[in-house]
Amino acid sequence: EVQLVESGGGLVQPGGSLRLSCAASGFTFSDFWMTWVRQAPGKGLEWVATINQDGSQKYYADSVKGRFTISRDSAKNSVFLQMNSLTIEDTADYYCAKGRGGDCWGQGTLATVSS
Amino acid sequence: DVVMTQSPLSLPVPVGQPASISCRSSQSLLNRDGNTFLHWFQQRPGQSPRRLIYRVSNRDSGVPDRFSGSGSGTDFTLKINRVEAEDVGVYYCMQATYWPGTFGQGTKVEIK
Repeated sequence: EVQLVESGGGLVQPGGSLRLSCAASGFTFSDFWMTWVRQAPGKGLEWVATINQDGSQKYYADSVKGRFTISRDSAKNSVFLQMNSLTIEDTADYYCAKGRGGDCWGQGTLATVSS
Repeated sequence: DVVMTQSPLSLPVPVGQPASISCRSSQSLLNRDGNTFLHWFQQRPGQSPRRLIYRVSNRDSGVPDRFSGSGSGTDFTLKINRVEAEDVGVYYCMQATYWPGTFGQGTKVEIK
């Protein structure tokens, strides 16, 4: 069974940083692109970043480019999202999804940016 | 960025009746390899999103056959043959043909 478990969310002040993790199991992690998607409270879905199988290709939404970094560690079957220079607008549930097309999603981790 | 526009944004439907959601993209989602990366997701209240349809018309594993997807180019449709109570939630289309990926605004389906 495919499982994605996000962690690392929490409360951080504006300008601060958070590092989100997503632990994957139930599939051959190194064969798949991985994606982060976020959802602000009461709002719709926003694609954030995607990384290819070996980490050589990374794509970001304009809203996070230069502040967020996606990475992966195949030895740990994990994908990460380093979030720097956080603003209130980054407050959201962050979901990890398998593939470019999101055929499986985790339960999400909440990042709250507030003073 | 490719803009995805869904309609309607709210859809009250009696149980057992059909429902249809439209999704239009600001440019054709057909890539040069002949693939169209248009997917549909369901998000039930309090749950994570779940993909229902991939590449326009392919149902994901475990998705009831009352859900179907169709369309091409810039116009796409998700249909629910006969709505059931468990179908309540928000439905999103998403394009992954171009970077960045983009979602529609979401259509809230509720029981009338």
